[in-house]
Amino acid sequence: AQKITQTQPGMFVQEKEAVTLDCTYDTSDQSYGLFWYKQPSSGEMIFLIYQGSYDEQNATEGRYSLNFQKARKSANLVISASQLGDSAMYFCAMPRRGISGSARQLTFGSGTQLTVLP
Amino acid sequence: KAGVTQTPRYLIKTRGQQVTLSCSPISGHRSVSWYQQTPGQGLQFLFEYFSETQRNKGNFPGRFSGRQFSNSRSEMNVSTLELGDSALYLCASSYNDRVYGYTFGSGTRLTVV
Repeated sequence: AQKITQTQPGMFVQEKEAVTLDCTYDTSDQSYGLFWYKQPSSGEMIFLIYQGSYDEQNATEGRYSLNFQKARKSANLVISASQLGDSAMYFCAMPRRGISGSARQLTFGSGTQLTVLP
Repeated sequence: KAGVTQTPRYLIKTRGQQVTLSCSPISGHRSVSWYQQTPGQGLQFLFEYFSETQRNKGNFPGRFSGRQFSNSRSEMNVSTLELGDSALYLCASSYNDRVYGYTFGSGTRLTVV
């Protein structure tokens, strides 16, 4: 079984500052990955960043970076230089393998509502 | 290139009715997955279709069903609606049968009254 835990229901950050959104996970898979998605009020889930468990370097995509600490089973999202448009729900997710062994679905955390203040 | 299109965007139904939601994937994508998002349960996987076959199913009652057509468009149906079925229903498409290439639609917001 897998579990994704996001302990921060809501976060506030001042515009232009950095913010870290927490995600811890539990899995029995040896090889796995972690996704972060952004969900604005429009509802669409927007892919932000992905980290594989065997990737040696932390993933980075523009202003987004992943602070991946395998021993602590955490994959925190860092957003640098926050912008007003970053206000949204953020979800951490992990692929879950089906019977065939392929990753056919995602398990999501409960999400963190980020509000960027002007 | 057009994204994943879900129709309708909003829907209000009465308890006991049935509803059909539609998802048109990105051109060339053969896999469509459906998720239900509620404030209480969060995001939960419903099912996945690949090349017109259901390949994976979540833990939902039989009132929830789906299908995929030869052009990869997918529909999901909920029969005998209950108040608890009120949710945002998201679909995601990908080229192959993996989650790594997921592109999500904007969802259909279903309200059951």
